[in-house]
Amino acid sequence: DTEVTQTPKHLVMGMTNKKSLKCEQHMGHRAMYWYKQKAKKPPELMFVYSYEKLSINESVPSRFSPECPNSSLLNLHLHALQPEDSALYLCASSQDRGPTGELFFGEGSRLTVL
Amino acid sequence: AQSVAQPEDQVNVAEGNPLTVKCTYSVSGNPYLFWYVQYPNRGLQFLLKYITGDNLVKGSYGFEAEFNKSQTSFHLKKPSALVSDSALYFCAVRSGSARQLTFGSGTQLTVLP
Repeated sequence: DTEVTQTPKHLVMGMTNKKSLKCEQHMGHRAMYWYKQKAKKPPELMFVYSYEKLSINESVPSRFSPECPNSSLLNLHLHALQPEDSALYLCASSQDRGPTGELFFGEGSRLTVL
Repeated sequence: AQSVAQPEDQVNVAEGNPLTVKCTYSVSGNPYLFWYVQYPNRGLQFLLKYITGDNLVKGSYGFEAEFNKSQTSFHLKKPSALVSDSALYFCAVRSGSARQLTFGSGTQLTVLP
C-alpha cells in the first residue's frame, strides 16, 4: 500500500466554523507533513511531524492546529479561517525526516473559506 | 541556504518529440534532487531522485534526469512526449543539513497532439 489518503476532498466553511482535515498512511512512514498550495504555485510547508512529535512549525497562524494521534494519522484542525486561507491542503509522508527520502503526497483537500 | 530555479513557466512540445524541463539549484554541500509531477486537481507524484552515483537517473513513466554538478543542473527529459505527460512539474532540492525540501516554482508542460 503506497497511498496517502486525505479526507474530505472538498470543504467549504465560513470564517466562524471549526472543521478538520484528516490524513492517513499505512506505509510505516515516521514523518508526516502538511503543505498548503495555491493554484499553479509550489507547495508551502506548514508542519512536520517526526515520530509523532511536531518538529517543524513554519510560523503558521494559530487558526491552524495540527495533531498526530498515532504514527498513521495526521489531522489539521481549522478554526476562524480567513478567505485567503482558501487553498489545496496536501498531506505527505516519508520514511523518516532524512534528506534522501522522497515524499508521498495525498490527493489533497481543497478548502474554500467564505 | 538552498534554492532551486525553474527558468521556464511554460514548455510546449509536440507529441512524439523529446522534452526537456530545466532545473538549476544552489546548495551548500551535497545536493539531493527530486522531480515531482502534479496533474490537475491531484497531489504531487514522485518521479525520480538523485542522491549519489550515476549522473543519469531513470524514473517513472519513461522520464529521466541528468545531474550535472559543474552546471548545478538537474534537467528532466523524456525521449518521446505523450499528450498525457501534460502536467505541472516541480524540481526540488535538499542538502544534508537543511531542515526541509525546497521546491522550484514549477513548469507547466503542455504536449500538443
